Amino acid sequence: GAVVSQHPSWVICKSGTSVKIECRSLDFQATTMFWYRQFPKQSLMLMATSNEGSKATYEQGVEKDKFLINHASLTLSTLTVTSAHPEDSSFYICSAKGGGGYSGNTIYFGEGSWLTVV
Amino acid sequence: AQSVTQPDIHITVSEGASLELRCNYSYGATPYLFWYVQSPGQGLQLLLKYFSGDTLVQGIKGFEAEFKRSQSSFNLRKPSVHWSDAAEYFCAVSPGNQGGKLIFGQGTELSVKP
Repeated sequence: GAVVSQHPSWVICKSGTSVKIECRSLDFQATTMFWYRQFPKQSLMLMATSNEGSKATYEQGVEKDKFLINHASLTLSTLTVTSAHPEDSSFYICSAKGGGGYSGNTIYFGEGSWLTVV
Repeated sequence: AQSVTQPDIHITVSEGASLELRCNYSYGATPYLFWYVQSPGQGLQLLLKYFSGDTLVQGIKGFEAEFKRSQSSFNLRKPSVHWSDAAEYFCAVSPGNQGGKLIFGQGTELSVKP
């Protein structure tokens, strides 16, 4: 079946540095991808919608300049956390949706990426 | 605004007992509804989904869910719980015209007693 892969699964970075997380659809083309953030013991909160070839749409309260999203191809979206701080430590999950209309499509989730900022 | 409520934060059931996890949504039209399961530190696995048609939906691992429009509910059920079912369960709604964007409930943590 369809698979969405995230890389890296775990990353530790120093405060003030930037870190990039990749989300790839391995066997289908994803016209739209979504980035979520999940704090421990909490639900997933949508951060942004990533559309191939156009700018991402951010949810209210999400800093566009801090969480840079690039969807350069139909199989890859990247989330870059810029000038990371300890409060950015979280579990980041992406999902991908194929094309051709929604009602027949399933949303596939990646395995998630743990970010720890020290 | 659309929202999803899972009233139970934590449920404990005995192995072999039946299970029902509650989910209520708020949305003007019929939404697309999903149940996902998440093991600690891992991503999400889709259990089942409802788009239209038969309101009783069968999923993987013996789970089923019933869409009740009058109650704005989409409760998840399993007749006999296994120890491996212990995990976090999320109900999610996708407004039909927003192509894949999901709004999640708070989640219900399921513990299974031997």
